[in-house]
Amino acid sequence: EAQVTQNPRYLITVTGKKLTVTCSQNMNHEYMSWYRQDPGLGLRQIYYSMNVEVTDKGDVPEGYKVSRKEKRNFPLILESPSPNQTSLYFCASSRQGNLLGANYGYTFGSGTRLTVV
Amino acid sequence: RKEVEQDPGPFNVPEGATVAFNCTYSNSASQSFFWYRQDCRKEPKLLMSVYSSGNEDGRFTAQLNRASQYISLLIRDSKLSDSATYLCVVNEPSGTYKYIFGTGTRLKVLA
Repeated sequence: EAQVTQNPRYLITVTGKKLTVTCSQNMNHEYMSWYRQDPGLGLRQIYYSMNVEVTDKGDVPEGYKVSRKEKRNFPLILESPSPNQTSLYFCASSRQGNLLGANYGYTFGSGTRLTVV
Repeated sequence: RKEVEQDPGPFNVPEGATVAFNCTYSNSASQSFFWYRQDCRKEPKLLMSVYSSGNEDGRFTAQLNRASQYISLLIRDSKLSDSATYLCVVNEPSGTYKYIFGTGTRLKVLA
C-alpha cells in the first residue's frame, strides 16, 4: 500500500530533551515536507526537500532540523524542544511535477501529536 | 492580506443540500491549486486538483477563476459523511515545491 509513515503517533516529552520524528514514504516521491498544525493557524510548513541532500526552510523552521540522506526518509529533529513546539505534525510527500508545470499534491502521513512540558 | 483565505464557517447544511466554498489567493503567479479534506485530528487527504477548465468528480465540482484569483468547491447532494474541514491549497510559484494552506472551511451536514 502506498503510504507515508510517521512515528511516533503520540509523544510527550520534557523541555530540552532532543527528539526525532521519523517519516518514510514508499512511493519513490522526490518531494517531502514537514508541516505543523495549530488551532486557528492552519498548516504551516517547517522544512521541505526537493530530493536527496536538497532541503530548504519553510515558514517556521526555527527550532527544527531535517536531513534527507535517502529518498524515502525525511526525519524531523528537535534538538532542544520547548513548549511552543507542542503541536500536531504532519509529514507529506509528492512526486515531481510534470513538464507543463502541474504539480500533483501531497500525500500526508497520519500525524504526530507532540506535547512538550 | 493572507496569502490564502477561506471563510472558516462552520457551514451547517441539511442532507441533500448543495453547498459552495470559495477561497481567494494573493499571488497571481500561482500555478497549482487543490482542495483537501481533513477530518477531525486526522491527516489532510487530497480531494481534487483544480484545473483552469474546471473539473468534476462525482458530486464535487472545482472551479478556478484566475482573473479574480479565487477557487471554488461545490458539493451537490450533501451526505453526512461530507462533514469535515475543507482546505484550499495553492502552490508558491517560486520553482520550489512549497504549498500554502488555507485555514480551512468547516462543513457540518445535518440529518
